[in-house]
Amino acid sequence: GAVVSQHPSRVICKSGTSVKIECRSLDFQATTMFWYRQFPKQSLMLMATSNEGSKATYEQGVEKDKFLINHASLTLSTLTVTSAHPEDSSFYICSARDTTRISSYEQYFGPGTRLTVT
Amino acid sequence: AQKVTQAQTEISVVEKEDVTLDCVYETRDTTYYLFWYKQPPSGELVFLIRRNSFDEQNEISGRYSWNFQKSTSSFNFTITASQVVDSAVYFCALLSGGYQKVTFGTGTKLQVIP
Repeated sequence: GAVVSQHPSRVICKSGTSVKIECRSLDFQATTMFWYRQFPKQSLMLMATSNEGSKATYEQGVEKDKFLINHASLTLSTLTVTSAHPEDSSFYICSARDTTRISSYEQYFGPGTRLTVT
Repeated sequence: AQKVTQAQTEISVVEKEDVTLDCVYETRDTTYYLFWYKQPPSGELVFLIRRNSFDEQNEISGRYSWNFQKSTSSFNFTITASQVVDSAVYFCALLSGGYQKVTFGTGTKLQVIP
């Protein structure tokens, strides 16, 4: 159980276009999901916390108008990189918290999406 | 605030050697979870272990073992008889009850040489 999927796994887009990444909890409900970004040879940095039915909370320094997050259901959160530029090329990973568990500290990570902007 | 320090950036060992990856954490919460993840070149995070702050028992899983010491705020990871397939980046992470966000260390790249 506790599987999180991401789609697509890899995406290449041209500079100036937008790309959407999906994060799904497959066998549990997740009112809270998290989006991380990982640059090559670096650690994972939290970008934002996505809450079902409400606005996402962005970490300091993350442009909310550039990284649009929508968490429309208990099993799906999307991250849209708008007007992508080469510097947005990165590995994006989502995680989901199983909020049906009494101890909801657990987070389950998706396999990641590698974005390349040319 | 919470912080995770992995002082070892890169480690190289010869196959069959034992290797210990260090992790030191900081948090003011009394309730927290510590994690280790493996990230192979494919990029996917592979969950290895979760330990809560009330359980200081060391754990062994095959060639992997973990040493949790609250007195030194450390959660070290040892691989016994390392294998080439162990080559990856290993992340230590902390989730505090009050903070509700996972903080990752900077990772340790392990290279096992055949």
